[in-house]
Amino acid sequence: GESVGLHLPTLSVQEGDNSIINCAYSNSASDYFIWYKQESGKGPQFIIDIRSNMDKRQGQRVTVLLNKTVKHLSLQIAATQPGDSAVYFCAEILTSGTASKLTFGTGTRLQVTL
Amino acid sequence: NAGVTQTPKFQVLKTGQSMTLQCAQDMNHEYMSWYRQDPGMGLRLIHYSVGAGITDQGEVPNGYNVSRSTTEDFPLRLLSAAPSQTSVYFCASRPRAASPLHFGNGTRLTVT
Repeated sequence: GESVGLHLPTLSVQEGDNSIINCAYSNSASDYFIWYKQESGKGPQFIIDIRSNMDKRQGQRVTVLLNKTVKHLSLQIAATQPGDSAVYFCAEILTSGTASKLTFGTGTRLQVTL
Repeated sequence: NAGVTQTPKFQVLKTGQSMTLQCAQDMNHEYMSWYRQDPGMGLRLIHYSVGAGITDQGEVPNGYNVSRSTTEDFPLRLLSAAPSQTSVYFCASRPRAASPLHFGNGTRLTVT
C-alpha cells in the first residue's frame, strides 16, 4: 500500500454526491494556489489553480474557492465518482519575480463509497 | 511528451551506500526540483534549479547533492545513505515560477 496516506484526515462521500475538501494556508502574501490529486503509487497530478486576485475558479466538475480574509482554500468536486478516490492536497506559492516559495499541505484522503 | 520521468521506481540501499536518482523532463521547463514525501508530512523541498547550471538548496538538503548540466536532466545523488532517507522522492518541473509543477511518479527508496 501507499505509506504516504497514513495519518491523513479522511472524507467519505457517497458516489454522486458533491465533495468539499478544505485547506488552510499559512502566508497571507501567497499569491498563487494549486490543488493536486495523488493516487496510490503515483505522483501528484494537477487539478486546478487560482491566483490571489480571484475568489473562484471553475473547471470540469471541480471548483476552487479562495477566501483570503481567513486564509482558506476549498476544492469542490461535483458528482463524485469512484475514480476521484485519492489524496488531495493544496499548495500555496509566494512569487517574487522569477523566485517562488512553495508550501504544500499534508492532504485529505477522499473515499468514495458506492 | 513523456512529461517527467523518474528512475528507478524502487530502490533498496544499505546504510552508507551511494546512488543517483534520475529525473528527466521533455517539456523544456526551466524550473526543476526534488521533493521527499513522508507519512503525515507535506512534500519537502530538497534541492531546486531555475535553469541549467544553477542549483540551490531547499528545506532539507543535507545528505543530497544535485547538478543541472542540461535543461532536461536533474539527478539527485545520495552521498552516504542513512535510514532517515527512507522516503518517496518526487522530481517536478515547471516552466516558470507561478505555474503548476509537473511531477514524476516517484522513486520509493528504502535504506536498511
